[in-house]
Formats: sequence, C-alpha cells, structure tokens
Amino acid sequence: KQEVTQIPAALSVPEGENLVLNCSFTDSAIYNLQWFRQDPGKGLTSLLLIQSSQREQTSGRLNASLDKSSGRSTLYIAASQPGDSATYLCAVEGAGANSKLTFGKGITLSVRP
Amino acid sequence: ETGVTQSPTHLIKTRGQQVTLRCSSQSGHNTVSWYQQALGQGPQFIFQYYREEENGRGNFPPRFSGLQFPNYSSELNVNALELDDSALYLCASSGLGGHPEKLFFGSGTQLSVL
Repeated sequence: KQEVTQIPAALSVPEGENLVLNCSFTDSAIYNLQWFRQDPGKGLTSLLLIQSSQREQTSGRLNASLDKSSGRSTLYIAASQPGDSATYLCAVEGAGANSKLTFGKGITLSVRP
Repeated sequence: ETGVTQSPTHLIKTRGQQVTLRCSSQSGHNTVSWYQQALGQGPQFIFQYYREEENGRGNFPPRFSGLQFPNYSSELNVNALELDDSALYLCASSGLGGHPEKLFFGSGTQLSVL
C-alpha cells in the first residue's frame, strides 16, 4: 500500500527566503507525482506534475524534483512571498488502471512579511 | 478557476440522514474522481467514474455510492451518515486523453454531520 509522508506539518519563514518542502513515498512504482496548493477551505490547484521518467519540472519560482528510486520529491520555492502562504500537498499516481492519487497530509506554509 | 463546479458549498446534516453532492466536470472531461478530506488530512480517494461506469474504488463502505450522467456530471451519495463523514468532499475531472493527466479539482463541499 502506497504511503506518502510530508514532514514537517507546518513551516513559518520570513518573506524572501528560499525554501524546500519534502515529500517521500514508499512504493516507487508510480506514473507521476504532483504538487498541489490548497488555500483554507478550498479545493486543490495543481502546481507541477512530474512524470515518472522525468527528474524535475519548473514553473516560475517553483521547481519540483523527483528521485523515484529513493522515493523522494522536493518542491523548491524561490524568494517566498506572503501570497505563498497555503498548504502544499504532494500526491503520487500509482501504476494502476485509474488515475487514483495518494496524498500526503500536506505542509502548511506561512510566509511572514 | 478550473471549470469544475460543486454544489452545495456547505451542508449540515444529522447522523443517520442521507446526502447527495453534485459535481459538474470541466468541458470535454469524461472522468470524475471523488475524494474525502478530513480536517488536517490529505484527500482520500473514494471512487472514480469513467463514461458512466465506476472505474476504481478506494477503501470506503458501500453506503458511499455514485453516479455519472451522460453529460459526465456526477453525484456522490452517502447513506446513513456518521459523525466521521464530516469532511471536505472534492471532485476532480480529467480525460482529455493521454497519460499522465492533470486532475482539475473543484472547490469542494464542506459537509458537517451533527
């Protein structure tokens, strides 16, 4: 059974800091890994999707890397801003028939002005 | 905006009642997935519908059931509500073809069971 872990559960940083959010998963047989952002009480917004054959993806100030063999991914946020404050969830899609995602519990990020 | 709409946004029910949640998928998407997100947890996969047929189910009891209609909109039905069913219910659509695919999530329905 796939398990996804995100540690720590919460993080507080001053504005402008570069930061790394970590994600680990137990079963390396995945199709892809996605990072999502969730604002309080809201749905999920997909930030980056990394296919199992890829090593990283970039979008603006965000960079996500994937090391499938070690079961790890990182989300790098450059020059953090107060607007980045949200919960960031990592999810993996297993090598099954449907697009079922297994999520971590998320990391709640607070960027202080 | 993802183009995925869910209704209602909030709902309060009492234990033992039944509830129906609705989801309109993004135009052109033929696959809908439902997730349950309890407070402080990541979303948990309930089931997926593809072209009106169930296409995979997570570890949820049979009192969680669903439907997908010819226009690919979907319903999630929960019978005999329990206190632990209180959660944010998220619908996601996909299905433009190809793999992997991004899922586009709605804003969710917040269900409170008293």
